Amino acid sequence: EDKVVQSPLSLVVHEGDTVTLNCSYEVTNFRSLLWYKQEKKAPTFLFMLTSSGIEKKSGRLSSILDKKELFSILNITATQTGDSAIYLCAVDPTTSGTYKYIFGTGTRLKVLA
Amino acid sequence: DSGVTQTPKHLITATGQRVTLRCSPRSGDLSVYWYQQSLDQGLQFLIQYYNGEERAKGNILERFSAQQFPDLHSELNLSSLELGDSALYFCASSPRRDNWEQYFGPGTRLTVT
Repeated sequence: EDKVVQSPLSLVVHEGDTVTLNCSYEVTNFRSLLWYKQEKKAPTFLFMLTSSGIEKKSGRLSSILDKKELFSILNITATQTGDSAIYLCAVDPTTSGTYKYIFGTGTRLKVLA
Repeated sequence: DSGVTQTPKHLITATGQRVTLRCSPRSGDLSVYWYQQSLDQGLQFLIQYYNGEERAKGNILERFSAQQFPDLHSELNLSSLELGDSALYFCASSPRRDNWEQYFGPGTRLTVT
């Protein structure tokens, strides 16, 4: 059965700390992996990764994919209270044109001032 | 604000009832996706429509159905409601049928009592 596992489930850090969130997956096929940030309500798109070893970066956030070891990490440097959210990882296990993302249950990050 | 709108914001109804959730995608987006997010299951993909046609199906129950209309708005119909259907229902849109950068609406919170 295809699955996506995120760790840790939850973490609390202080402003300025660097955090690393993990997403590992077991899928029959692999097409892409997405990271989302979910604050109060709707998830917002962060990154899409399809190739191993290529880092995607946006400000203090960066992410990389390892297709051999079947995982991705999301790094947040110099964390701020506004980074407090649930971070969701999703994997598309299809190779055809149809869409079928499987989401992990998320990592809840709380950044203290 | 993603540009995706969903109505209603909250819905409280009794078991056995039927409800309709409505979604208007971002202007110009042809794809609409429906998701269910509950505390114990995380975010789950339900169904995708592209330009009025069903494109992909996820974990959607037979009691649930959806459609996309010529003006591209979409409705998700939930019938014979059970307590376990209580969840946040998100709609997302993207401009193309396989575009992974999806824009989520604010969600409809359904409570079944």
